[in-house]
Amino acid sequence: KNEVEQSPQNLTAQEGEFITINCSYSVGISALHWLQQHPGGGIVSLFMLSSGKKKHGRLIATINIQEKHSSLHITASHPRDSAVYICAVRSEETSGSRLTFGEGTQLTVNP
Amino acid sequence: EPEVTQTPSHQVTQMGQEVILRCVPISNHLYFYWYRQILGQKVEFLVSFYNNEISEKSEIFDDQFSVERPDGSNFTLKIRSTKLEDSAMYFCASRDRGNQPQHFGDGTRLSIL
Repeated sequence: KNEVEQSPQNLTAQEGEFITINCSYSVGISALHWLQQHPGGGIVSLFMLSSGKKKHGRLIATINIQEKHSSLHITASHPRDSAVYICAVRSEETSGSRLTFGEGTQLTVNP
Repeated sequence: EPEVTQTPSHQVTQMGQEVILRCVPISNHLYFYWYRQILGQKVEFLVSFYNNEISEKSEIFDDQFSVERPDGSNFTLKIRSTKLEDSAMYFCASRDRGNQPQHFGDGTRLSIL
């Protein structure tokens, strides 16, 4: 079983729709990251959170530590949001601060 | 905004050859990482580096791999004798002290022929 599971694997939306991507993890964590990977391959950090909720523009990330679950929401989605969204966790159990990644969610927003 | 920069963006190498991937982390950052992503797969941790030594490495990071911070600004990943299965995107990341996020470079696409 993967330590980090994301759903859905693929998501297609119409411009303007509200989007939710989910992440579940099985280990104790000290932090969770949401990352964005564009077709060229580069990775951009969107959020790092260890509790509660964070908001940046149209993006909102929430985490429930007890349930080991996080969600990334995109409001008023736009075609430029099309990318792979990746959840990654920093485990409490490792001595370093390595990240363990989910498989990613491919989001396509159509105009 | 400061960035992590990686060079080259694409490296093509014959199997068995040595390759060095280069990274310039954000200047005041103290922790450095290499990750790789085989095409179509998830990103995997290779190694972390702090205070001029490896702090953690994965089972992927075998004797063929090494890392170095030769001059206080560059952070390099060397693969001594490349194999076909080393073909992947390699990402460098760095972070500051404390509970700070990792910042990623744009990656180097390594193609082994």
